[in-house]
Amino acid sequence: DSGVTQTPKHLITATGQRVTLRCSPRSGDLSVYWYQQSLDQGLQFLIQYYNGEERAKGNILERFSAQQFPDLHSELNLSSLELGDSALYFCASSATGTGETYGYTFGSGTRLTVV
Amino acid sequence: GNSVTQMEGPVTLSEEAFLTINCTYTATGYPSLFWYVQYPGEGLQLLLKATKADDKGSNKGFEATYRKETTSFHLEKGSVQVSDSAVYFCALISSGTYKYIFGTGTRLKVLA
Repeated sequence: DSGVTQTPKHLITATGQRVTLRCSPRSGDLSVYWYQQSLDQGLQFLIQYYNGEERAKGNILERFSAQQFPDLHSELNLSSLELGDSALYFCASSATGTGETYGYTFGSGTRLTVV
Repeated sequence: GNSVTQMEGPVTLSEEAFLTINCTYTATGYPSLFWYVQYPGEGLQLLLKATKADDKGSNKGFEATYRKETTSFHLEKGSVQVSDSAVYFCALISSGTYKYIFGTGTRLKVLA
């Protein structure tokens, strides 16, 4: 157990639907990062939050949004889902805003399948 | 922009063979360098890191040395085991920035 908890582990939904993925960071970590891992795109950075505020944005679609709550857990909302959104979605956390010293701690991911 | 290039996989080795997975990078300034490992069905785990030139990161028999002159951070292990079968990702983060740049990953398969 890495200390980063992601739920649900698996999600199957239909095109056009909306889903919410949840992440609880490791105790004491203030930063949460979301990544999408697909076979053809590799690991793509989506977005980062630090202590409740958006810190950096990557290749996140407008149909996707995220937030970090006062208790530091984060949610990634995916709407108007398309077949191409099927992927593994990882959450990672770090103690600082950059993760450059100690690296990230990753959760085990949520596998999203859009049918 | 910053980038990480890893050797294409898959890499297939027999148990106890020597492993090298090449990683080179392009970055401004002095990035920190990392290797992550992803076992089947799991998230990425930090394997080792180096934060400045000539640093050697090591863990679980794996080693990598930060070579600024060749902009490389190759992963090595002297004797691989079947349990090392996984996907290995090289990554960097530039000082003061907020996101990692990951390589595309190299799948390692170790045969008994």
